[in-house]
Amino acid sequence: NAGVTQTPKFQVLKTGQSMTLQCAQDMNHNSMYWYRQDPGMGLRLIYYSASEGTTDKGEVPNGYNVSRLNKREFSLRLESAAPSQTSVYFCASFQSVTGYEQYFGPGTRLTVT
Amino acid sequence: AQSVTQLGSHVSVSEGALVLLRCNYSSSVPPYLFWYVQYPNQGLQLLLKYTTGATLVKGINGFEAEFKKSETSFHLTKPSAHMSDAAEYFCAVSDRGNTPLVFGKGTRLSVIA
Repeated sequence: NAGVTQTPKFQVLKTGQSMTLQCAQDMNHNSMYWYRQDPGMGLRLIYYSASEGTTDKGEVPNGYNVSRLNKREFSLRLESAAPSQTSVYFCASFQSVTGYEQYFGPGTRLTVT
Repeated sequence: AQSVTQLGSHVSVSEGALVLLRCNYSSSVPPYLFWYVQYPNQGLQLLLKYTTGATLVKGINGFEAEFKKSETSFHLTKPSAHMSDAAEYFCAVSDRGNTPLVFGKGTRLSVIA
């Protein structure tokens, strides 16, 4: 039981390049989330998916797109990376019947130069 | 809208001293409250949570927190700090439904030998 996995762990992009961050969970959770973490800012929600087939914007969605590929997988895409998107990205999943807490992946450290 | 305020971005204590990390929240409905810990270069791990029932909740590693509705607080305590407690701590709130967590900005705990 791997929990929440994220790939890649590290990535360096040049301004204007695109990439997709992958997230998968094996806990059969309905809800999945993407956060970014910046020093002194805590975790800010980018997008979330309450259930397979639905996605919603969070606090900081600009510059990102998401795809809920199936119940297990939720990807985050940067179409044209900017230095302001340098951050650590965390994926999380949630299911109310298991206790209302979110389970987090190990994170992806992204640097945009 | 919900919000979380963590007082003190950095707290320093001596080994063996009391740890007190403060968290105040605002919520229009009875909240669910969480404390997460993040060790360097890792994801977030749940320390403890309050959903219903007893207002004093115990978590892992000797931490506990008390939900005080009248003070809208959920402060985290540990009687005796250990060097291994050095980490960043996040307080989070959600309403009683399938909605994303709202995180505070975090408090970095340093433990001095």
